[in-house]
Amino acid sequence: EDQVTQSPEALRLQEGESSSLNCSYTVSGLRGLFWYRQDPGKGPEFLFTLYSAGEEKEKERLKATLTKKESFLHITAPKPEDSATYLCAVQTNSGGGADGLTFGKGTHLIIQP
Amino acid sequence: DTGVSQDPRHKITKRGQNVTFRCDPISEHNRLYWYRQTLGQGPEFLTYFQNEAQLEKSRLLSDRFSAERPKGSFSTLEIQRTEQGDSAMYLCASSLTGRYTDTQYFGPGTRLTVL
Repeated sequence: EDQVTQSPEALRLQEGESSSLNCSYTVSGLRGLFWYRQDPGKGPEFLFTLYSAGEEKEKERLKATLTKKESFLHITAPKPEDSATYLCAVQTNSGGGADGLTFGKGTHLIIQP
Repeated sequence: DTGVSQDPRHKITKRGQNVTFRCDPISEHNRLYWYRQTLGQGPEFLTYFQNEAQLEKSRLLSDRFSAERPKGSFSTLEIQRTEQGDSAMYLCASSLTGRYTDTQYFGPGTRLTVL
């Protein structure tokens, strides 16, 4: 069974204090790994798709990386508006539900001014 | 705005009643997904359509749940004889089939409260 584990569950940072969020996965065959941002009471907002180990993608203060076992979301010099829950999800080659995403529980990030 | 839309945004119902939610995907997207999310958890896959065909159902989708996408455009999710455990955010996502994978774009969700 596909598993996605995110850590830490919650993270509180000062504005400008860089850090990384972790997503470790155990799957039978990875087709893609996705990062989403979710604000309270809203649907997830797409950030990145990563396909293969070694791949990196950047958007503003965010950078996502992928290895064969985990992905990191690096946040550089965060601002209070970066506060949100960050979700990691995988799409795999496993049978049954292979096209539906399997999500982790998310990391709740708070950036204090 | 041409994103995914869902209606209603909030629904409060009594246990045992039937409810129906609607999802309008991004217009050119051929795939439509339904997920359920409870507090403190990530979304859980329920089912998905490619055009009008329902291709996959999760074990989470009990017999009380039914989904349709009659013309390959909008979709409805009906829950019959609601239970308190059905209280959750119901999310819809749409995508365009890609070569290796497809990026799913989510709507704002419908929050269901069963009293």
